[in-house]
Amino acid sequence: SQKIEQNSEALNIQEGKTATLTCNYTNYSPAYLQWYRQDPGRGPVFLLLIRENEKEKRKERLKVTFDTTLKQSLFHITASQPADSATYLCAPDSSYKLIFGSGTRLLVRP
Amino acid sequence: DGGITQSPKYLFRKEGQNVTLSCEQNLNHDAMYWYRQDPGQGLRLIYYSQIVNDFQKGDIAEGYSVSREKKESFPLTVTSAQKNPTAFYLCASSIARNTGELFFGEGSRLTVL
Repeated sequence: SQKIEQNSEALNIQEGKTATLTCNYTNYSPAYLQWYRQDPGRGPVFLLLIRENEKEKRKERLKVTFDTTLKQSLFHITASQPADSATYLCAPDSSYKLIFGSGTRLLVRP
Repeated sequence: DGGITQSPKYLFRKEGQNVTLSCEQNLNHDAMYWYRQDPGQGLRLIYYSQIVNDFQKGDIAEGYSVSREKKESFPLTVTSAQKNPTAFYLCASSIARNTGELFFGEGSRLTVL
């Protein structure tokens, strides 16, 4: 069955460092993959979409890579800030729907 | 401001009762979705609708029902047949099915007493 894996352990980093979150998927080949940010008790907010023919996508301090051979996406936040603390969800598409990972919680220490 | 409005934010239900969660959008989106989120788990798709008067079951539709009588509205009813309804429910919309980003509401937290 289709499966999404994100690190369930929280990532704890110092302000100013680069955070790197990993998303692995198995048993299918998505045409695109999305990343969302979710704060506690709130709905997810869209951040970036990367297509299968794109290796890398950037938006301000955010960078996403998509390796269809490894079946993996990496999400980077450079110059991280305490305000970046949240849970980040990856969502590769699967025909008619997005399949969401359980998310990785990022904690940025001042 | 355009967006998605879910209500109520918090809801308590006794076992055996049906409850309806409201979802309204003013983004003029064709597609709407209902997801369920449990602690430590990803979002799971309950139902989705691509157009008015049409909707499809997602992965966990049992015990739930929906309607799409208006483009703007996609209410979800959690019936007494749903064995474990306590969860965080999220409504979302997109311009059309499978065309990019989802816009989410703020969620409704249902607790069964």
